[in-house]
Amino acid sequence: QKEVEQDPGPLSVPEGAIVSLNCTYSNSAFQYFMWYRQYSRKGPELLMYTYSSGNKEDGRFTAQVDKSSKYISLFIRDSQPSDSATYLCAMSDSGGSNYKLTFGKGTLLTVNP
Amino acid sequence: KAGVTQTPRYLIKTRGQQVTLSCSPISGHRSVSWYQQTPGQGLQFLFEYFSETQRNKGNFPGRFSGRQFSNSRSEMNVSTLELGDSALYLCASSLERKSSPLHFGNGTRLTVT
Repeated sequence: QKEVEQDPGPLSVPEGAIVSLNCTYSNSAFQYFMWYRQYSRKGPELLMYTYSSGNKEDGRFTAQVDKSSKYISLFIRDSQPSDSATYLCAMSDSGGSNYKLTFGKGTLLTVNP
Repeated sequence: KAGVTQTPRYLIKTRGQQVTLSCSPISGHRSVSWYQQTPGQGLQFLFEYFSETQRNKGNFPGRFSGRQFSNSRSEMNVSTLELGDSALYLCASSLERKSSPLHFGNGTRLTVT
């Protein structure tokens, strides 16, 4: 079983739709959870950064973490064609001597005008 | 503030050669990490440097090495290149090693022929 599982998609939605992206994980030591957006030929860009369980909202983006279910989500409201990209979930544990990110494989999202 | 800068952006090498990639972190960031991204394996952690010392290493052969300079700039080296080393190599920096998100550069696309 991979440490982080992410549906690769591809996911295609019309402009204005609500998008839900998800990851599950197996390592209960993960404490920090991130979502990155990666456009073609670019590096990953940090979208959301959360610690432990709960919700965090930033504009049209909402990140949810449910540690009891080992499940994280990213919601995009009023999706725009400019949101078309690959979305990567990432997580790390809280041990300072083992600070590294474990990534999902990424979900390719296309928002159609 | 300038982001993470990686040079060169593209590189073509022949099997058996060696290559050196360069990374300049965001000003003030002291931790630098390197990741390999391939379509099959996604993003995989190579190593992390902090205060000119390698603090963590991923599951890659010894042909992959790196170093960090006193100004936090980092280089990674791959010796005796193999076809399977073709990938996007991403550098990321963070302010500290713990509780601090990673910010990525746009990567160096390495093609081994």
